[in-house]
Amino acid sequence: AQSVTQLDSQVPVFEEAPVELRCNYSSSVSVYLFWYVQYPNQGLQLLLKYLSGSTLVKGINGFEAEFNKSQTSFHLRKPSVHISDTAEYFCAVSGIEAAGNKLTFGGGTRVLVKP
Amino acid sequence: NAGVTQTPKFRVLKTGQSMTLLCAQDMNHEYMYWYRQDPGMGLRLIHYSVGEGTTAKGEVPDGYNVSRLKKQNFLLGLESAAPSQTSVYFCASIPDWGGTGELFFGEGSRLTVL
Repeated sequence: AQSVTQLDSQVPVFEEAPVELRCNYSSSVSVYLFWYVQYPNQGLQLLLKYLSGSTLVKGINGFEAEFNKSQTSFHLRKPSVHISDTAEYFCAVSGIEAAGNKLTFGGGTRVLVKP
Repeated sequence: NAGVTQTPKFRVLKTGQSMTLLCAQDMNHEYMYWYRQDPGMGLRLIHYSVGEGTTAKGEVPDGYNVSRLKKQNFLLGLESAAPSQTSVYFCASIPDWGGTGELFFGEGSRLTVL
C-alpha cells in the first residue's frame, strides 16, 4: 500500500513570486507519481507525472516537479505564479504493479495567489 | 467532446433516503473510479471497475454500492444515506493502465445529507 503526505494545507503567495508545494510518499514498491490541479468548482486535471527517466519533470502552465527517490519526495515548483494559479493541488502515487491501478491522493494544498 | 459526465451535480437528501449517481464516459475507457472528496483528506477511492461487468472495493466502500452493466456507465448507489456521506463525489476514467497515468475526471456531484 502507498500513502501520500502533503506537508502544507494552504500556501498564500504573492503574484510573480515562486512557490513550492511539498509532497512526500511512502511505498514498499516502485511508484508512479502525479500532480493534479483542481480549479474552483471543477474536477481534477493532470498537471504532470513521473513514470521513469529524468527525475525533473515539466508540466503544463510552467510547473515542474523533481522526484527524489532517497527522500521519497516529489515537490512541485513554479518560479513565478499568476493569479490564475489559485487552485488546489493534489499529489498522487500509484504502485507500478498495483492491482486495479489505483491512485492514492494526498490531502491537497490550497494555493492562494495574492495581487 | 463530453468526456466524463456526472449527474446530478447537486442533491440534498434526508437521512435514510436512497439515491444513485450516474457517471457516463464517451471515450471507450476500460477503467472507471468513484472518489469522494472531503476537506483536508484529498480524494479517497470508494469503488472502481476494470471493465464492463466488474467492480471492486476501494479504500472507503462501506455504505455504497456500484454497478457497471455497460462499459460507458458506472453507477454509485447509496442505499440509506447518512450525514457522514455528505461530500463531493468524483467519477474518473482511464483507457487502461498503459502508463500514461492520466485520470479523466468529471466535474463532481455535491451531495448533502441532512
